[in-house]
Amino acid sequence: SQQGEEDPQALSIQEGENATMNCSYKTSINNLQWYRQNSGRGLVHLILIRSNEREKHSGRLRVTLDTSKKSSSLLITASRAADTASYFCATDRSYNTDKLIFGTGTRLQVFP
Amino acid sequence: DGGITQSPKYLFRKEGQNVTLSCEQNLNHDAMYWYRQDPGQGLRLIYYSQIVNDFQKGDIAEGYSVSREKKESFPLTVTSAQKNPTAFYLCASTGANTEAFFGQGTRLTVV
Repeated sequence: SQQGEEDPQALSIQEGENATMNCSYKTSINNLQWYRQNSGRGLVHLILIRSNEREKHSGRLRVTLDTSKKSSSLLITASRAADTASYFCATDRSYNTDKLIFGTGTRLQVFP
Repeated sequence: DGGITQSPKYLFRKEGQNVTLSCEQNLNHDAMYWYRQDPGQGLRLIYYSQIVNDFQKGDIAEGYSVSREKKESFPLTVTSAQKNPTAFYLCASTGANTEAFFGQGTRLTVV
C-alpha cells in the first residue's frame, strides 16, 4: 500500500514558470522527504522536513508540511529544462513501523 | 567516497532461474531497503532491514528473498516463484532520521 500519493501525476510547464507538486499521506510521521529521479537512474534526495517544521527552503525549492491535513507540497521556482524528472515524496513511518514508503510520483516536463 | 553500490546494472534471467542482485553500502547505515519500480510507476517496497540479521517483508515480498549477514550488504534474490520479475530494482540505505541514499539500480529482464 502506498503511504504517499502525489498529484498531479504529470505536469508540463515552460522554463521560468513555477512547478507545484503535492503529496498526501495517511499516518503520523517523523519526517517527510522529497526525492528526484532522472529517467532510469536512482533517486536523489532533495529536502527533508521534520514533523515539527512547517516550511523549508533549499535554493529554488520550497517545501511545506501540514500535519493536520497530512499533506506536503514541493514548489520549484523559475524552473529550468534540467528540472525535467520525476519527483517523489517519502515518509518514514507507516502504521507504527519505521519503513520508508514512497508515493507514486509526479513526472515533471519543463520545455525550453 | 561513501556511497551505495548496486550490481550488476543490467541482468537477464531465464525462466525458472533464481538471480541475486547485490547491494553494498559503506555509509555505516543501519537500515537498508529494496524497491521495485515498473515503467512510469512509483517505488514499491519489497523487503527492508533495520539491523543486521533481521529483515521484514514489504508490500510485495512474494517471490523474493533477502539476507542481512553484514551491515554493509543486503542482497536480493529474485526466485522462480516471482512470475513477473522484469523491472527496475533500487536499493537504498538510511541512518537514523536522515535521508535515503540510493544505488543506481539494476534493470532485470526475463528472456
